[in-house]
Amino acid sequence: NAGVTQTPKFQVLKTGQSMTLQCAQDMNHNSMYWYRQDPGMGLRLIYYSASEGTTDKGEVPNGYNVSRLNKREFSLRLESAAPSQTSVYFCASSEDTGYRPQHFGDGTRLSIL
Amino acid sequence: DAKTTQPTSMDCAEGRAANLPCNHSTISGNEYVYWYRQIHSQGPQYIIHGLKNNETNEMASLIITEDRKSSTLILPHATLRDTAVYYCIVWGSSNTGKLIFGQGTTLQVKP
Repeated sequence: NAGVTQTPKFQVLKTGQSMTLQCAQDMNHNSMYWYRQDPGMGLRLIYYSASEGTTDKGEVPNGYNVSRLNKREFSLRLESAAPSQTSVYFCASSEDTGYRPQHFGDGTRLSIL
Repeated sequence: DAKTTQPTSMDCAEGRAANLPCNHSTISGNEYVYWYRQIHSQGPQYIIHGLKNNETNEMASLIITEDRKSSTLILPHATLRDTAVYYCIVWGSSNTGKLIFGQGTTLQVKP
């Protein structure tokens, strides 16, 4: 009964390095999301995928790319990491983008030096 | 998007009911009220949602006023493990799945 699984849980990068955050869900959900959470702030949506084969920008997409690899997996890539991208990243999934609850993973804590 | 207003923090005694208020005076007719919580260092957890009627599940009850301008999340018998930040979110079809998290209410359950 894993739900949403994110890897890695922690990562430290140097400025300019690239990194892919992985997310997988086992609930057969159509929609998946990537959020970031900075200290003292609520979550902000980076990108989402309404269904397999589609992706759309959220509030803060700059500096990120995503890939919906299949129905289960949705990855987030930082091509050239910057200190401003130091954050906790959460992946979520839901049955669809309508009135359906989102289920979250436990996050990836990313530090960029 | 309807804006929500929540108290910054609240305390509750263990075993007592925790009542968390939320104001959403600009809510539209087709917008739902959702509640999530985030326990320290974990991902947000869905609690409950409703449109007009009061709702209850195994975790909590949601009371929505008749004019829908405010709601209250009730944890009937709070435990120490309920200490968390609670987010009230108004969500409509225009959001296309985008949850907009505000600052939330930090609930401290005390022994």
